Order: sequence, then C-alpha cells, then structure tokens
Amino acid sequence: DAEITQSPRHKITETGRQVTLACHQTWNHNNMFWYRQDLGHGLRLIHYSYGVQDTNKGEVSDGYSVSRSNTEDLPLTLESAASSQTSVYFCASSSGTSGRGYNEQFFGPGTRLTVL
Amino acid sequence: GQQLNQSPQSMFIQEGEDVSMNCTSSSIFNTWLWYKQDPGEGPVLLIALYKAGELTSNGRLTAQFGITRKDSFLNISASIPSDVGIYFCAGSQYNTDKLIFGTGTRLQVFP
Repeated sequence: DAEITQSPRHKITETGRQVTLACHQTWNHNNMFWYRQDLGHGLRLIHYSYGVQDTNKGEVSDGYSVSRSNTEDLPLTLESAASSQTSVYFCASSSGTSGRGYNEQFFGPGTRLTVL
Repeated sequence: GQQLNQSPQSMFIQEGEDVSMNCTSSSIFNTWLWYKQDPGEGPVLLIALYKAGELTSNGRLTAQFGITRKDSFLNISASIPSDVGIYFCAGSQYNTDKLIFGTGTRLQVFP
C-alpha cells in the first residue's frame, strides 16, 4: 500500500545543532508539505514543494530549509536548532494533478522534536 | 498567517449524542476538507467537499460546503468513544494547492 513515512518519530537535540527530519512518500505525489503543530497554533505551514527542484516558503519558514531532489522525499533541515523549534512536525503530500482530489493532503505520523 | 475560525473549541458529550461543529472564513474557498487527529498521530482525511451546497456523508459523519463558500459544517451522529480526538477543517482557495487549517475542535465522549 502507498504511504507516507517520517523519521525519526522522536528526536532530542541541543541548541545550535543541525537537525534533519526525513519524509518519504510512495504515492508518486507531486506536492509535499511540512507543517509544525503547537498548542494554540494548530498546523502552520513551514515549506512546500510542487515538484522536483521546486521549493517554496510557508508562513513560518525562518530557520528551516528543504530540498527536493526526487519525487518521493522532502527532508526538512533545521540549520541551527533553537528552543522555539521544539514542536511536532508533520509531513503531508497531495497529488497536485488536475481533477477532483488534487489537493487532498495525506499526512505522515509526525516527528516530535525537543530542542534543549 | 490566515487561519479558519472553528467552533466550538471543545466539546464534552455523552455517548450516543449527535455533534455539530463548523468552520468559517472571511474569504471564499473552493475546497473544504475535514480531518480527524488521534493523540500521537497525524491528521486523517474524513471528508472532502468541492461544490457550494455539497452535502457528503462518510458513515456517521456528514459534512456540508456552505452556499456562501465561506463556511463548512461537520455533523457526527450517535457518537461513540472512538470519535474522541481533534477535528480540523481545512480550506483551499482558487489556484493554489495549499491548505489553510482551522484551529481544531477537541471532542471528548463519555460513556
């Protein structure tokens, strides 16, 4: 079955370290998204990609970067982790092709990141 | 960033009761989606709506795309304990694949 996976599921790191969170989807979807979820803020978009070599900033992109070298993967990098980046991170994908259902996003299980 | 207004914020109901929640915006949307999130997991898509006035069911869940295109409603009939979780609405505007999410409704069901 097609799926979207994230790794690691839990990560503890120190302030200033570089951290990379992995996201892998097997639906062959064009679109991939990264969100963070914090109490009181719901889901906020960090970065997104509409295809290979395409990346775009979301509403809370400062301190984060992504790159899309293939269809299946969109890793999220925290260049220098800060305590304010302690959160739960979700990856999602959607087909992005025309027709009904093109923007239905399917989410991974999430990564809980703690920055000490 | 823009967020959708979702109400109520939380609900505490007895098993067997019906539930209603809604999502409103000041902007027009051309897609409304409803998700459910269980603790420690990612949101799961429940229902997708693509036309103003559309009414769609998924088991005990029914959702409607408001005719003004600025709101959507989710009803759950005869609630059961596994309905517990956070329900999110999400909307998409014309010419974008991005979703804007509501603030969520936390549902608790008591036996």
